[in-house]
This record gives sequence, C-alpha cells and structure tokens, in this order.
Amino acid sequence: GEDVEQSLFLSVREGDSSVINCTYTDSSSTYLYWYKQEPGAGLQLLTYIFSNMDMKQDQRLTVLLNKKDKHLSLRIADTQTGDSAIYFCAASGGSYIPTFGRGTSLIVHP
Amino acid sequence: DVKVTQSSRYLVKRTGEKVFLECVQDMDHENMFWYRQDPGLGLRLIYFSYDVKMKEKGDIPEGYSVSREKKERFSLILESASTNQTSMYLCASRPQDWVRGDTQYFGPGTRLTVL
Repeated sequence: GEDVEQSLFLSVREGDSSVINCTYTDSSSTYLYWYKQEPGAGLQLLTYIFSNMDMKQDQRLTVLLNKKDKHLSLRIADTQTGDSAIYFCAASGGSYIPTFGRGTSLIVHP
Repeated sequence: DVKVTQSSRYLVKRTGEKVFLECVQDMDHENMFWYRQDPGLGLRLIYFSYDVKMKEKGDIPEGYSVSREKKERFSLILESASTNQTSMYLCASRPQDWVRGDTQYFGPGTRLTVL
C-alpha cells in the first residue's frame, strides 16, 4: 500500500520561510494534501494539489509537487508564531482512502 | 460550514470497561472515519464507513468495533478497554463526491486514557 514519509521536527525563526517535505510511494496518487493540527485540536485542511499540477500558491503557502520523484513540499513564507503546529502530508490514489504521514512538528522561535 | 463533533474531549476509563466514542456530522456526508493518533506514529485508520450500516476495517481494527445506524452518527466501541488503547481518537467525514478535491473534515478529537 501507500507509504508517506515526512521528517518529525522543523525549527525556524519568526519571519523566515519554512519548508516541510514529504515523500510518497504510490505513483497513482491523485490527490495530495497538507493538513494543520494546532495543539488540542483536530486536523484542518490547509491546501491540496492534484497530481497534474506541479505548483499551487495560496497567500503565504506554496505547494510544490515533483511527480517524478514523488516528492511534495509545503513552503510557508514569513513564518509566524501562530504557524507553530503539526503539519500532516496525505496522499490518496487508487484506494481513495488517504494515507497520512507521521506529521512534522513546526516550532517557530521569536 | 461543516461541523464534526465528538461526544467528549477527554475521557478516563478503567481496564476492561466497554467504551463508546460518538461522532456526529451535520453535512449529510456518506463517508465517515475513525483514526487514532499517537506521537511519532501519525494517524492510523481504525474503521471507516461508506454509508449507513456499512463498515470496512482499516489498518488497525483489532480491539475495536463500530456502529453506523444513522447517516450522521458513527460510533467507535472498545469492547474491553486496555491500557494500550490510551490515545487521541479522531473522527472525520467526507462527501461521497469527494473528487471535487473536497476532503475529510475532522472533529476536535477525544483524548482517551485507560487506567
């Protein structure tokens, strides 16, 4: 089945850009998602990208997809302390049930 | 605005107790899911339901069962709670026509502690 990998921690300074990376294994993955989980809360969809796109931008968020390498990244420009959260990458393809990565804890230092 | 609610935010139970976790969504979604979330392991799918009275096992169904008698409600049952079921439980729902790119909507989670 699908396997989604992401690093567990990322630490950045306020105002810098954050880049969270994710790799997936199923080349038939059609939809790729980024979710944000704030402390004590459920997951909230941040953005998604279809596999026929290679970039999507939404305000401070930029998603890059390298389909050949099965690599997805989320860039947060001008990172703020309010961006501190766990970010989950998810991929869904043939089974249509999303597979989630383990989550990357983003820590933003003032 | 889609709303997914879970019956409790925090729950403490004893080993061997039967535990019910309730999830309700208000958007007439066909698909509903139960996950558990553990540090460093991410989200793992326990069960999901395509529609009323339908259920499918996920990746870790052992020790759990589910019930979907009404479209808006999906219950997770721990028949005999054990300490290794201490975790955060997340419910999600999704419309059947999710191919629009619309995806799962999550509840706030229930943090279950089994003593």
